[in-house]
Amino acid sequence: EAQVTQNPRYLITVTGKKLTVTCSQNMNHEYMSWYRQDPGLGLRQIYYSMNVEVTDKGDVPEGYKVSRKEKRNFPLILESPSPNQTSLYFCASSTWGINTGELFFGEGSRLTVL
Amino acid sequence: DQQVKQNSPSLSVQEGRISILNCDYTNSMFDYFLWYKKYPAEGPTFLISISSIKDKNEDGRFTVFLNKSAKHLSLHIVPSQPGDSAVYFCAATLRDDKIIFGKGTRLHILP
Repeated sequence: EAQVTQNPRYLITVTGKKLTVTCSQNMNHEYMSWYRQDPGLGLRQIYYSMNVEVTDKGDVPEGYKVSRKEKRNFPLILESPSPNQTSLYFCASSTWGINTGELFFGEGSRLTVL
Repeated sequence: DQQVKQNSPSLSVQEGRISILNCDYTNSMFDYFLWYKKYPAEGPTFLISISSIKDKNEDGRFTVFLNKSAKHLSLHIVPSQPGDSAVYFCAATLRDDKIIFGKGTRLHILP
């Protein structure tokens, strides 16, 4: 089954404790990206990657890191989480770029930073 | 600066009638416009897209209209069904593969 898998789905952590949210896709997609969803703000793009070893900043990259060492994986790293990073995070992938529109999203990871 | 605006946080429509969701944008450089649908506890799913050089795209019950002079697009759902109750996000892409989403509109289909 074609899917984007995120882990963990739920996480409660404390300020400053480094964490990684993993994202893996089995569709051989070149394009992968991360978003956060906050009440009243909709979805905002954090980082995206056109291919292995290529990453670019989205609208809200501050406080986040990403890496794309393999085509299928695109982890989101919070080196020193803060309470304002409490949010619902989505990973997504696409065949090539996003202009055709069809981003495939994971089920989301709800992160709480105390 | 909100480049993609969905000014209606929610919309209620009778089952069987037409649902019209609206979206305004400010950036003339947007390349494609898209609509995504989201159910609670799930990721968004792609519905339909339209190129900036077109003015209409249709897929089954879903039609998207683009009015470039007004910088406005709309999604029409005909007829509306109970399973259409969800949050709908309008989005727009730039040539550097960035994507900007609106805040979403919650659609309620009433029996």
